[in-house]
Amino acid sequence: GAGVSQSPSNKVTEKGKDVELRCDPISGHTALYWYRQSLGQGLEFLIYFQGNSAPDKSGLPSDRFSAERTGGSVSTLTIQRTQQEDSAVYLCASSLEQGGLFFGSGTQLSVL
Amino acid sequence: EDQVTQSPEALRLQEGESSSLNCSYTVSGLRGLFWYRQDPGKGPEFLFTLYSAGEEKEKERLKATLTKKESFLHITAPKPEDSATYLCAVRGGGYNKLIFGAGTRLAVHP
Repeated sequence: GAGVSQSPSNKVTEKGKDVELRCDPISGHTALYWYRQSLGQGLEFLIYFQGNSAPDKSGLPSDRFSAERTGGSVSTLTIQRTQQEDSAVYLCASSLEQGGLFFGSGTQLSVL
Repeated sequence: EDQVTQSPEALRLQEGESSSLNCSYTVSGLRGLFWYRQDPGKGPEFLFTLYSAGEEKEKERLKATLTKKESFLHITAPKPEDSATYLCAVRGGGYNKLIFGAGTRLAVHP
């Protein structure tokens, strides 16, 4: 498809389990972003990848959160030892270097 | 600290009743102001990018304008299908992430 693809669309997990969220960006987009949106809240920046540069990890809320981007394309956001406060919609976006961001539909994460 | 404030938080309009949404920003070295539309259960949909004061962009019933301190999203003769949350974001000097405002929830009633 032509847009940003995220999987799974929904994930229910138990407190303390690890989860992996996947993002497939728009082909040719060099920049990839992860954001989090809690119920009724604004978008919170998590991490940004640009080409082969070191990622901007300044938004990751704790060391339980990590992300990688393989081959300059697909990215995986990993949350270890999930907590209830991690419940949110996790949004991935991609862009050309300085352009507007194009978002996927998100992964709804529910931690029980 | 760079920040974005949107007002009002919520707006209810009758179909055909034009209005404006406000986005006030404080940022060092603005490198773009962005407007998005978000429908429930979906990711934000890109609408416009504005780069310099005085710039305007239009798309159907929407028109975005930019000054040195704020941006307006004008909605002319809205229809019920324009109901959504409208988000404003900025990119400042020294970073590439976008900083988002909390959004304005717009409801247009027939």
